[in-house]
Amino acid sequence: DTGVSQDPRHKITKRGQNVTFRCDPISEHNRLYWYRQTLGQGPEFLTYFQNEAQLEKSRLLSDRFSAERPKGSFSTLEIQRTEQGDSAMYLCASSSPESSYNEQFFGPGTRLTVL
Amino acid sequence: QQPVQSPQAVILREGEDAVINCSSSKALYSVHWYRQKHGEAPVFLMILLKGGEQKGHEKISASFNEKKQQSSLYLTASQLSYSGTYFCARLRGGGADGLTFGKGTHLIIQP
Repeated sequence: DTGVSQDPRHKITKRGQNVTFRCDPISEHNRLYWYRQTLGQGPEFLTYFQNEAQLEKSRLLSDRFSAERPKGSFSTLEIQRTEQGDSAMYLCASSSPESSYNEQFFGPGTRLTVL
Repeated sequence: QQPVQSPQAVILREGEDAVINCSSSKALYSVHWYRQKHGEAPVFLMILLKGGEQKGHEKISASFNEKKQQSSLYLTASQLSYSGTYFCARLRGGGADGLTFGKGTHLIIQP
C-alpha cells in the first residue's frame, strides 16, 4: 500500500501523560500536514512541513505540541502533558511537489482518547 | 473564516439528486472537495480552479463561481456509496500551506 500511513491508529492515555504519533507520507511527497478533527467538525490545520522545514504552525498548536520531520520523510507529532481537550482524531496528509493546487491525501488518522 | 456549507444534512432516496453549497468570505482561488465516511479519513474528490472551471468525478460534478466566491457540488442519481460527510476547503493562503475546511454536509442515501 503506497498511501499515507499513521501509527498508532488508536491511543488511550491518562491526563498528564505524553503521547507521540507517527505519519509516513506517500513516497516522494515533500509536503506533510497535520490536522486535528473533533466530532462533527471538519479537520483543523495544525502545522505543515515542506521537506524537513516546518513552515507554518496554527495558533491551535500550543506549547505542549511539537512536530518534527527530521529527514524530510516521516513525521512525528508529540503532545506533552495531555489534557482531556486533546481527545480528537489526528490526521496526517501529504502532497506532491508536482501538485500546483495542493491536492492533499489523508492517512487513516490516530484517534486519541485522554481519560 | 472557515467556508460555510449548506445544507448541514441531506437525506435522499437512492437515485435522487443533491446539491451541496460552499461559500467563503475570503477570496477563493481554488475550492477542494472531500468526502469522509464514518470512522475513515477524508478522501479527495476534486479541486475547482478559478475561472469557472468545472471538473467531474464519476457522477459527482462541481462548479466554482469565483466572483460570488461560491462552489456547488452536484451529486446525480445518488448511490448508496455516496453516503458520508462532504467537506469543502480552501487554501489558508497562497502556495503550499494547509486547508481550512467547512463544517461539512452530512449526506444519507436510503435504499
